[in-house]
Amino acid sequence: GESVGLHLPTLSVQEGDNSIINCAYSNSASDYFIWYKQESGKGPQFIIDIRSNMDKRQGQRVTVLLNKTVKHLSLQIAATQPGDSAVYFCAERPSNTGKLIFGQGTTLQVKP
Amino acid sequence: GAVVSQHPSRVICKSGTSVKIECRSLDFQATTMFWYRQFPKKSLMLMATSNEGSKATYEQGVEKDKFLINHASLTLSTLTVTSAHPEDSSFYICSARRSGTGQETQYFGPGTRLLVL
Repeated sequence: GESVGLHLPTLSVQEGDNSIINCAYSNSASDYFIWYKQESGKGPQFIIDIRSNMDKRQGQRVTVLLNKTVKHLSLQIAATQPGDSAVYFCAERPSNTGKLIFGQGTTLQVKP
Repeated sequence: GAVVSQHPSRVICKSGTSVKIECRSLDFQATTMFWYRQFPKKSLMLMATSNEGSKATYEQGVEKDKFLINHASLTLSTLTVTSAHPEDSSFYICSARRSGTGQETQYFGPGTRLLVL
């Protein structure tokens, strides 16, 4: 069935290092992907998105990479800060629906 | 920015009562809003899609008579949990998608934590 999953449930990094959070998706029909950040007790916060006609998109300190061949999505955070500590979710949108399918989430822990 | 609010942020109710949760898009119009449920340390599960002026579309396994959704305007959707039971305790989150061409991103509210005693 359809699923969006993450390879690691928890990622621990040192402050200042770069973080890479990975996501695998299974629906070839997905044409739009989003990364969200969720802090404890809050709603998801939009970080960055990418359409399927792109391989890479950069934002402020974040980069999303899309590899459609292996159905893989990643989020890179440069110079990770304590404020980046949160759960990160990838989400995919199959082109024939308006819905988002969320992955299971990766907890990012930033060590000072 | 795109701001979505929810009210209340937290509610405790007795078993058997009904609870209404509001979701508002504050600075944009949203033809479509979505309601999600999230259990502790779990991902978001889509419950239903709320369309302004029409009936909501529910995901498989979600009882439409249990979770009533109304989307009466382009900035407000409500979710009513009827005859709440302890197993309905959860974190309920709404999102809104901007109306208009090319606006695909869903912006999320801060969530409502429901505890049914």
